[in-house]
Amino acid sequence: GNSVTQMEGPVTLSEEAFLTINCTYTATGYPSLFWYVQYPGEGLQLLLKATKADDKGSNKGFEATYRKETTSFHLEKGSVQVSDSAVYFCALLSGGYQKVTFGTGTKLQVIP
Amino acid sequence: EAQVTQNPRYLITVTGKKLTVTCSQNMNHEYMSWYRQDPGLGLRQIYYSMNVEVTDKGDVPEGYKVSRKEKRNFPLILESPSPNQTSLYFCASSFGTERGYGYTFGSGTRLTVV
Repeated sequence: GNSVTQMEGPVTLSEEAFLTINCTYTATGYPSLFWYVQYPGEGLQLLLKATKADDKGSNKGFEATYRKETTSFHLEKGSVQVSDSAVYFCALLSGGYQKVTFGTGTKLQVIP
Repeated sequence: EAQVTQNPRYLITVTGKKLTVTCSQNMNHEYMSWYRQDPGLGLRQIYYSMNVEVTDKGDVPEGYKVSRKEKRNFPLILESPSPNQTSLYFCASSFGTERGYGYTFGSGTRLTVV
């Protein structure tokens, strides 16, 4: 079956540091890939997505590139802010019925 | 405003007392789904619905029921709640089976069963 593996958290960074959160996946066919963000006390929000190999999704300074050869979709940001503190979920969509598989989430804490 | 609305936000109940968590979306989405979120386990799908009167089991359906009588509503029913159903629940919706559509999530329902 499909699966998503994210790096363990929590990740603690100083403001303006570079962020990478690793995500790898196992899926049949050609899945679409997503990153969602969950701020404290809220639901998940779609951060970015990529639907085919070599696509780069980007939003709010975050980027991730769909790498089919390494089955990866790592999230990056060049300079994090305190307001980026949240839990980040990698996810994939595979199959014709909108089956979305989520990773376990990575908590990011950015300190001033 | 386009949104998914869940109610209640917080609920404490006793074992065996039937409860319903409501979910409504105003985006005319065909697809709706329920997830539960537990520490260390991420989000696991409970049930999903492709359209009105079409529902199917997700990964952890035991102890839950759903119905989809109208396109906008997708309630989650716990006929006889047990403590292992204490969790954070999310309803989500999307346009359908086209590739690349993301979910819109509700704000969550934190359920405690004592």
